[in-house]
Amino acid sequence: SQKIEQNSEALNIQEGKTATLTCNYTNYSPAYLQWYRQDPGRGPVFLLLIRENEKEKRKERLKVTFDTTLKQSLFHITASQPADSATYLCALDQGPAGANNLFFGTGTRLTVIP
Amino acid sequence: GAGVSQSPSNKVTEKGKDVELRCDPISGHTALYWYRQSLGQGLEFLIYFQGNSAPDKSGLPSDRFSAERTGGSVSTLTIQRTQQEDSAVYLCASSREVQGVYGYTFGSGTRLTVV
Repeated sequence: SQKIEQNSEALNIQEGKTATLTCNYTNYSPAYLQWYRQDPGRGPVFLLLIRENEKEKRKERLKVTFDTTLKQSLFHITASQPADSATYLCALDQGPAGANNLFFGTGTRLTVIP
Repeated sequence: GAGVSQSPSNKVTEKGKDVELRCDPISGHTALYWYRQSLGQGLEFLIYFQGNSAPDKSGLPSDRFSAERTGGSVSTLTIQRTQQEDSAVYLCASSREVQGVYGYTFGSGTRLTVV
């Protein structure tokens, strides 16, 4: 069956450290992989997209890697701040040949401790 | 508008009643999606609209659920004869193009509670 697993439900790290979140998938062939941030009571907010032929994408303190052999994406937040505390969701897009929607993982709740 | 607008933000209804949830997408976004998010669960795809094409209804959990999109803009999700298991946050999203290459823009959702 198809699954998208995010490494842990919750992750606590100290301010200033690098947070690393994992997204593993099975029985998908994503053309794109996206990461979203969700705060309580709000909808998810798009952060980054990485394509299947890209190994790494960066945006300010964020870095995403995509390994289609391992079927895994890693999401890094460097120099983490308490304001980075939120739930982070990965989502897969199968591209034009696939379904017309994104498939989401259940998310990892990150808490950055001051 | 500047963002995706959903109404109402909260809805409490009695079991067996019908409810309508509204989504106003970003102007010019051709694709519109409805998702459902239950506590501790991932986002569950419900339905997708793209321009004037027939909607992709493959995610609707039962025939009590229906949705329409009028004039390629505002969408309404209707749940008939609500059940307690329908309680969830219903999220609407829009995107510039199909496949969401530019990412989806989500509304803040409607929290539905069926009592």
